[in-house]
Amino acid sequence: GAGVSQSPSNKVTEKGKDVELRCDPISGHTALYWYRQSLGQGLEFLIYFQGNSAPDKSGLPSDRFSAERTGGSVSTLTIQRTQQEDSAVYLCASSPGTSWGNEQFFGPGTRLTVL
Amino acid sequence: QKEVEQNSGPLSVPEGAIASLNCTYSDRGSQSFFWYRQYSGKSPELIMSIYSNGDKEDGRFTAQLNKASQYVSLLIRDSQPSDSATYLCAVNRPSGSARQLTFGSGTQLTVLP
Repeated sequence: GAGVSQSPSNKVTEKGKDVELRCDPISGHTALYWYRQSLGQGLEFLIYFQGNSAPDKSGLPSDRFSAERTGGSVSTLTIQRTQQEDSAVYLCASSPGTSWGNEQFFGPGTRLTVL
Repeated sequence: QKEVEQNSGPLSVPEGAIASLNCTYSDRGSQSFFWYRQYSGKSPELIMSIYSNGDKEDGRFTAQLNKASQYVSLLIRDSQPSDSATYLCAVNRPSGSARQLTFGSGTQLTVLP
């Protein structure tokens, strides 16, 4: 079946511009996660959605970052007034539900470059 | 102390050898453990999950879990050059509202032909 998809695969923007990154999770998966991975670094948790519950935004680095998930499916991560330190690969993952044993499956990522 | 620690490597093994990757975690309440493989320029790919103490085998991969000692390991038998990648250990965070995973920083493995 189809895996997690993300778009665009690459995004180059100028400092100060806003960007939107999209994630389409695996069909039927109720949990969706956003991570950020800077070059040569580990995964940094950003935000988590579970069904219709309020998202866990504890990982968002600043108020320039926001995310929404419409209809419990597609999610959009928005970065306002981008800065050069926002340059990274943004990864989306989904998992089947709330059980602690649920495995997360990653999309291919969006590589963001802020000039 | 980091929540999930891995040796950063790089770890080099000859083709055909056993590669051993180790991970320790700090939260005794963690119940689920995962190994991901990440090729350069690609996203993480789930290769193993383990929830109970002991060994779990899947093909050339064996995951080992020891909750008392708070470590989880991954053994790769008959290592192949195609196994060369960064291996990420991930552990669930049992507290809080989110079923989040905390990832280690990864161990870079190189299998030499």
